[in-house]
Amino acid sequence: EVQLVESGGGLVKPGGSLRLSCAASGFAFSSYSMNWVRQAPGKGLEWVSTISTSSIYVYYADSVKGRFTISRDNAKNSLYLQMNSLRGEDTAVYYCARDIHPTGTTGAFDIWGQGTAVTVSS
Amino acid sequence: QSALTQPRSVSGSPGQSVTISCTGTSGDVGGYDYVSWYQQPPGTAPKLIIHDVSQRPSGVPDRFSGSKSGNTASLTISGLQAEDEADYHCCSYAGSYTVVFGGGTKLTVL
Repeated sequence: EVQLVESGGGLVKPGGSLRLSCAASGFAFSSYSMNWVRQAPGKGLEWVSTISTSSIYVYYADSVKGRFTISRDNAKNSLYLQMNSLRGEDTAVYYCARDIHPTGTTGAFDIWGQGTAVTVSS
Repeated sequence: QSALTQPRSVSGSPGQSVTISCTGTSGDVGGYDYVSWYQQPPGTAPKLIIHDVSQRPSGVPDRFSGSKSGNTASLTISGLQAEDEADYHCCSYAGSYTVVFGGGTKLTVL
């Protein structure tokens, strides 16, 4: 079964850090670019970051650039998001997602995890 | 990276058709044939129902169709069913390996 499972969410104070993980199974993880997408409570979806298959290329939304770092370990079939200098507006459910186009990101995310909730509050 | 514009809500009766619009710019919707649509019932992860403007992934009923004209994309759901009640999100490639979503539309089946 093709599956993505996120973990690592929780409650963190403003200015704090958190590292999210996403475990992939059931498909050739190393052959796909991977993505993080978030959804603030009661709001729409927001693309956060993309990483290429070999980690050479990484891309970020302006809202997280300089604070978040995306990475992957193809040997472990895992995707990560290191989040530093967290703010209240980062409060959201964070999803990892696979694009239907293996080597690019077009916004056509065909596989999603169940999401992990991040709350930034004092 | 400005969000695409969607109506906040639409509604229709069972059996009817509804169309949800998604307006962007020449830098996203109008510039690329990479528009996707997602269905998201409450408390669940989004599900891809349309990609590349009008392509349906395997398993998605043909009641769901997508199109684009200029800077506006549209999702049409025909033969509306109660199970179609959900939030719908559009998404577009926006160049430079970035992606932009719309604000989401709540579909109510009357």
